[in-house]
Amino acid sequence: KAGVTQTPRYLIKTRGQQVTLSCSPISGHRSVSWYQQTPGQGLQFLFEYFSETQRNKGNFPGRFSGRQFSNSRSEMNVSTLELGDSALYLCASGPGQGNEKLFFGSGTQLSVL
Amino acid sequence: EDQVTQSPEALRLQEGESSSLNCSYTVSGLRGLFWYRQDPGKGPEFLFTLYSAGEEKEKERLKATLTKKESFLHITAPKPEDSATYLCAVYPGGYNKLIFGAGTRLAVHP
Repeated sequence: KAGVTQTPRYLIKTRGQQVTLSCSPISGHRSVSWYQQTPGQGLQFLFEYFSETQRNKGNFPGRFSGRQFSNSRSEMNVSTLELGDSALYLCASGPGQGNEKLFFGSGTQLSVL
Repeated sequence: EDQVTQSPEALRLQEGESSSLNCSYTVSGLRGLFWYRQDPGKGPEFLFTLYSAGEEKEKERLKATLTKKESFLHITAPKPEDSATYLCAVYPGGYNKLIFGAGTRLAVHP
């Protein structure tokens, strides 16, 4: 069974630009969650999607948004990038029952210059 | 406020030297405690799930235990390949919203 696939692996952007990250969950999984990982704050929850609907959202500004498609693939968008947005963005998939173990991708390393 | 605290921040062991990592948590209603392993440049890899106090899980050299306030990850006779960051996380409620601790960086030297 293929794992969680995230693209691209690395991104370099400048302040003010926007970026879109992609995540393909494990086949059959309908829930996709996004997390931000930084050395200072650790892993922080961004949002979760199930069947194209956002069910849960973390404490991030509105510049962070996401969506899920009918095939469960998900995208995350960050607009008007700031230096502090530099981080490893991780996608996790699960069946969607809630409170279940999650399977993480290798992440997208975003650097904002 | 829901919170997860892991200690120590970093741990250096000699190969074969057993030790324990601690995860203390404060949540309104625990709906699962998870241990993950993360290698540099990779995403977290699932190790264990614990749901109720007194529960224990084992896998190779690792054993996870849970009380009402904390969880321990015991590493018996570690090998260099056990070197990684070990993350503890809890579900306080809400779909798939894990609260993570800062992790323990483990280095096992031959």
